[in-house]
Amino acid sequence: QKEVEQNSGPLSVPEGAIASLNCTYSDRGSQSFFWYRQYSGKSPELIMSIYSNGDKEDGRFTAQLNKASQYVSLLIRDSQPSDSATYLCAVSGSNYQLIWGAGTKLIIKP
Amino acid sequence: EPEVTQTPSHQVTQMGQEVILRCVPISNHLYFYWYRQILGQKVEFLVSFYNNEISEKSEIFDDQFSVERPDGSNFTLKIRSTKLEDSAMYFCASTRGNREAFFGQGTRLTVV
Repeated sequence: QKEVEQNSGPLSVPEGAIASLNCTYSDRGSQSFFWYRQYSGKSPELIMSIYSNGDKEDGRFTAQLNKASQYVSLLIRDSQPSDSATYLCAVSGSNYQLIWGAGTKLIIKP
Repeated sequence: EPEVTQTPSHQVTQMGQEVILRCVPISNHLYFYWYRQILGQKVEFLVSFYNNEISEKSEIFDDQFSVERPDGSNFTLKIRSTKLEDSAMYFCASTRGNREAFFGQGTRLTVV
């Protein structure tokens, strides 16, 4: 059973600080990794994708991948109240379907 | 910007009735998916569809569920005889392959 694990939170971060979200996965053969943001009652929205070891930056977001440790993380710099949401980690399966973590609820406090 | 569209946004149905959820994937995408999310729970994979056939399905996707691509644009999920536990958000997604999947806005299914 392929699994993706996330701390459910909530993670509370002051406005302007760095939010750090973590995810581990069980299938060592996984190749593609994604972070989605989900507001309550809405569909997942893609934030970042990462396919190789190291860091990938896009604006205020940085995704980090360590395949040896089977670990993916997302950093959000200069956190804004609008970043308050649930962040979902997803790993691609054999037919590119996504295997999901339960999500980490992030709260940015003004 | 191309997007995945789903209809209806909300459907209420009586237990035992059949429902069809509709999706129009992004036109140049090749892989299509249905996921569901029961309120307060994680997103769960139901089925993937490629080259006009099911490529993978989860244990949730039993004989009560079916998918179809009746024409070149629509992708449908049918639940034959709904149960109370089928109440959930259903998301359609599409991708070109080993790349990002894009999601529709979802259909909230309420079975009463």
